[in-house]
Amino acid sequence: DGGITQSPKYLFRKEGQNVTLSCEQNLNHDAMYWYRQDPGQGLRLIYYSQIVNDFQKGDIAEGYSVSREKKESFPLTVTSAQKNPTAFYLCASRDLTSTDTQYFGPGTRLTVL
Amino acid sequence: GQNIDQPTEMTATEGAIVQINCTYQTSGFNGLFWYQQHAGEAPTFLSYNVLDGLEEKGRFSSFLSRSKGYSYLLLKELQMKDSASYLCAVPYPNAGNMLTFGGGTRLMVKP
Repeated sequence: DGGITQSPKYLFRKEGQNVTLSCEQNLNHDAMYWYRQDPGQGLRLIYYSQIVNDFQKGDIAEGYSVSREKKESFPLTVTSAQKNPTAFYLCASRDLTSTDTQYFGPGTRLTVL
Repeated sequence: GQNIDQPTEMTATEGAIVQINCTYQTSGFNGLFWYQQHAGEAPTFLSYNVLDGLEEKGRFSSFLSRSKGYSYLLLKELQMKDSASYLCAVPYPNAGNMLTFGGGTRLMVKP
């Protein structure tokens, strides 16, 4: 089955620890995106990547880092520098050659204890 | 800059029709998206409008007026499963199609 997978679904972390959220897609999409969603609010862009080994900061990149070593994978690291990391994190991808639509993974809910 | 406004919450009755409005400001229009998001789940694509007018897709229709910076999502024959948040989004101009999302409209459908 083609799609976008994120793991884990739920993640708990102690304050001060870094944690990496996984995002994998087998849709052969060029672009991938990370969004953060807080309760009752819309999505805010953290980072995006249009090509392997290249990525750009979004609106709220501070305290986060990403890598794009493979087309299929775009992991997000939430570092200890992120002051309020508890949120729902969504990964999305898009085929730049054929559609303007972004398709989302199931999300990871991160809770900092 | 980019800005999107949507009502925070709406309530409607099963079987009825509801219209969810979205107004936007953008420096370079490149289409408008509507997504549906059930609580705790990922957004799913509903519609994409780039030209003025109404586009119908089953029970859901989306309207766009570029001159007014206005769109609406029309849901007909409401079902309980339509209870969800509806997100309006517009792409950043010339920026890898990054999307700016509105805060979403939480629709509650009552029996």
